Amino acid sequence: AQSVTQPDARVTVSEGASLQLRCKYSYSGTPYLFWYVQYPRQGLQLLLKYYSGDPVVQGVNGFEAEFSKSNSSFHLRKASVHWSDSAVYFCVLSVSNNRIFFGDGTQLVVKP
Amino acid sequence: NSKVIQTPRYLVKGQGQKAKMRCIPEKGHPVVFWYQQNKNNEFKFLINFQNQEVLQQIDMTEKRFSAECPSNSPCSLEIQSSEAGDSALYLCASSLTGGWDTQYFGPGTRLLVL
Repeated sequence: AQSVTQPDARVTVSEGASLQLRCKYSYSGTPYLFWYVQYPRQGLQLLLKYYSGDPVVQGVNGFEAEFSKSNSSFHLRKASVHWSDSAVYFCVLSVSNNRIFFGDGTQLVVKP
Repeated sequence: NSKVIQTPRYLVKGQGQKAKMRCIPEKGHPVVFWYQQNKNNEFKFLINFQNQEVLQQIDMTEKRFSAECPSNSPCSLEIQSSEAGDSALYLCASSLTGGWDTQYFGPGTRLLVL
């Protein structure tokens, strides 16, 4: 069965610090993976996506993610966070047949 | 940035009332999805369309929920008889080809059933 696990419900970092949000997926086929961000009272905004090729993908606002088939992971990283990055981040797995699977989200809190 | 439009942003209904929300997908996107996001950030797929045709829908949608995507009109999702458990954020997303393609989300309609 397909699933996505974000093991950290909440991550707190200081402004300017580096960030890693973890994502593990379960899928026997070729995964298509996405990271979305949701700001308060808003919908989901696409940060980046991975289909194939270079396992490190660049996204918006300095975010990047690294795909690892051996670890079934797709962790999100940022070198230096800003207070405006505070939001909920969702890792999403897309499979065939128009279906996608959401992680439970990681609440990022950036302290000034 | 996504150009999916959802209206209204907020909807308050009493139990048993109808609740209707609308979605205009990004121009040129024939595939439309509806999701329900609860307060625990759990997403539930409700239904999806390709042009005007339903591709998939869950049982919940088949009973109290109705949805359509008429040609040249906004897509809509309607709850025929709202229940307290329907209180959630309803997200509409569209994509160019469906399948593995990127889904672009609207801001959502937040439904509160009193």
